Amino acid sequence: SQKIEQNSEALNIQEGKTATLTCNYTNYSPAYLQWYRQDPGRGPVFLLLIRENEKEKRKERLKVTFDTTLKQSLFHITASQPADSATYLCALDIRNNNDMRFGAGTRLTVKP
Amino acid sequence: NAGVTQTPKFQVLKTGQSMTLQCAQDMNHEYMSWYRQDPGMGLRLIHYSVGAGITDQGEVPNGYNVSRSTTEDFPLRLLSAAPSQTSVYFCASSYSQGVQETQYFGPGTRLLVL
Repeated sequence: SQKIEQNSEALNIQEGKTATLTCNYTNYSPAYLQWYRQDPGRGPVFLLLIRENEKEKRKERLKVTFDTTLKQSLFHITASQPADSATYLCALDIRNNNDMRFGAGTRLTVKP
Repeated sequence: NAGVTQTPKFQVLKTGQSMTLQCAQDMNHEYMSWYRQDPGMGLRLIHYSVGAGITDQGEVPNGYNVSRSTTEDFPLRLLSAAPSQTSVYFCASSYSQGVQETQYFGPGTRLLVL
């Protein structure tokens, strides 16, 4: 069956540490993968997109990797801050036509 | 730009009632979509549209209808609401289909069906 799994429902880390979130998928061959941030009561906000031919992409304190052999993406937030506390969602375009599938999300809490 | 707007913000319906969730965007985006979000299940695609006059079904289309008569608007209709449709509904838009563009999400509509 086709699945998108994010490694845990919740992740708690100390301020200043690196947060690493995992997105695994099975039986899809996406051309790209996206990561979104969602705050309580709000809609998701796009963070990063990585294509199948890219191994890594960075944006400020964010880094995403994409391993199509392992069918896995890792999302890193370095020097984490309490303001980074939110739910992070990964999403795949399963037919390369904006037919998107989302993972259930990982709720990150960064403690001061 | 207002971005993606959704109305109403919150709605309570009785089983069997009908309603339309409104979505509008002012970014001249071709692609628009509707998702529902339930606890522990992430966002699930209901219907999407790649341009005016064109719609397609997503992962969970049953019980919902859509139409796209203009580029700006993409309403979602519930013809006969059921308690299983209690959820938070998000509308999203992006510039073009298959161009790997980011999606912009609206603030959501919280629907409770009694």
